[in-house]
Parts: sequence; structure tokens; C-alpha cells
Amino acid sequence: KAGVTQTPRYLIKTRGQQVTLSCSPISGHRSVSWYQQTPGQGLQFLFEYFSETQRNKGNFPGRFSGRQFSNSRSEMNVSTLELGDSALYLCASSLVSPGQGQPPLHFGNGTRLTVT
Amino acid sequence: GENVEQHPSTLSVQEGDSAVIKCTYSDSASNYFPWYKQELGKRPQLIIDIRSNVGEKKDQRIAVTLNKTAKHFSLHITETQPEDSAVYFCAASGTYKYIFGTGTRLKVLA
Repeated sequence: KAGVTQTPRYLIKTRGQQVTLSCSPISGHRSVSWYQQTPGQGLQFLFEYFSETQRNKGNFPGRFSGRQFSNSRSEMNVSTLELGDSALYLCASSLVSPGQGQPPLHFGNGTRLTVT
Repeated sequence: GENVEQHPSTLSVQEGDSAVIKCTYSDSASNYFPWYKQELGKRPQLIIDIRSNVGEKKDQRIAVTLNKTAKHFSLHITETQPEDSAVYFCAASGTYKYIFGTGTRLKVLA
């Protein structure tokens, strides 16, 4: 089975621009979540989607948004980019089984965003 | 708000010694506690996990313990090897959400 695929791997943007990142989950995984990873801050939760619905979100400004499509692929968008948005953005998918509790996350390789 | 504290931030051990990383969580609703290993330039990978109805779990050289009353959980690595060198993240998960610790950089010295 193919793993979680994130595109693009690298992005360089200028302050004020917007960016869209894409994530294709493992086949059969319907839950997709996004994390921002910066040195010293670890992985910070952005949001989680299941069956095209956002079920939870972290403490990020409204400039960060996401969506999930009917095939479970997900995108996240960051508008009006700031220097502080430079980070590795990781997507993770998981297999949700009723009654089985929280499932483990399977991460993609991430998209490294640099804002200049 | 919800958070997970992880200590230490860096840990150096001699090859063959044991390493222990500790985490404390705040959200009482958390019921799943995974540990991830991230090697340089690679994705985080699950190495072991524990659910709230279990106190301890072991897999070869690694083990995790959970104290729900104190909201503490720990990762234990025995007989460390150079390939154990990486950043380790703990996490606490409740409803559709994972809160991660800030990571521990483990260096195993040959």
C-alpha cells in the first residue's frame, strides 16, 4: 500500500501570498489531520477531517484553513503568509474503526514552506 | 488549554545504557498515548503506543508506562544502540485530536 503522499515537498513564497498544500491519505483511511512542525515547538495540531467534515481544530488563526474531498484527499490553505508561517507541514492519515478508540497516525514526508 | 510537557529536551547516553523520556498531559479526556520517532529529514513513525486501560506495554527493547492518576507516561529504551539516535515525541489523544510534546533529542554515543 502506498503511504501518505504530500505535495509539493518544498515551497518558497513571499509574505502576503497564499499557498495550498495537498495530502493523499493511505487507501482506506478516511481521517486526515494536519500539523505544523517548527524547531522547539514540536508538532502543533492544525485540524482534523473525516468524511469531508472538520471534526476538530487547533489554535491557529483563520488564515489557516483546510478541506477534505469525497476521495479523502485533503488540502490546507494559508492566506496572507507571514514569516512565522515558515515550517514543515505534516499531514497524517488514520484508519477509523468504530469502537476501537483513537487510531495511530501515519505521517507523510511533509511540505517544507519557506516564507521570505 | 490542553498541553503535553515532555522532558528532557535532550538526552545523551552511552551505547548499551537505558534512556527514559517522560511526559505529562493535562486533558483528562485523553485515552491514547503514542510515541513517535523522527530521524533527521524523515517523517515521524510510531514506535509504541498505550491505551488508558493498560498500565504498561513492552515491545522488545522499548516499553511505555502510564499512570492515569498522575497523568504521566514514560518511554523506556533499554540497551540503546546508535540507530536509536533521533527525536522522540510523545502525544496524548482524546477526541479527534492529538497533542504532542515538544520532543526529546536522544543521542546514543558509541
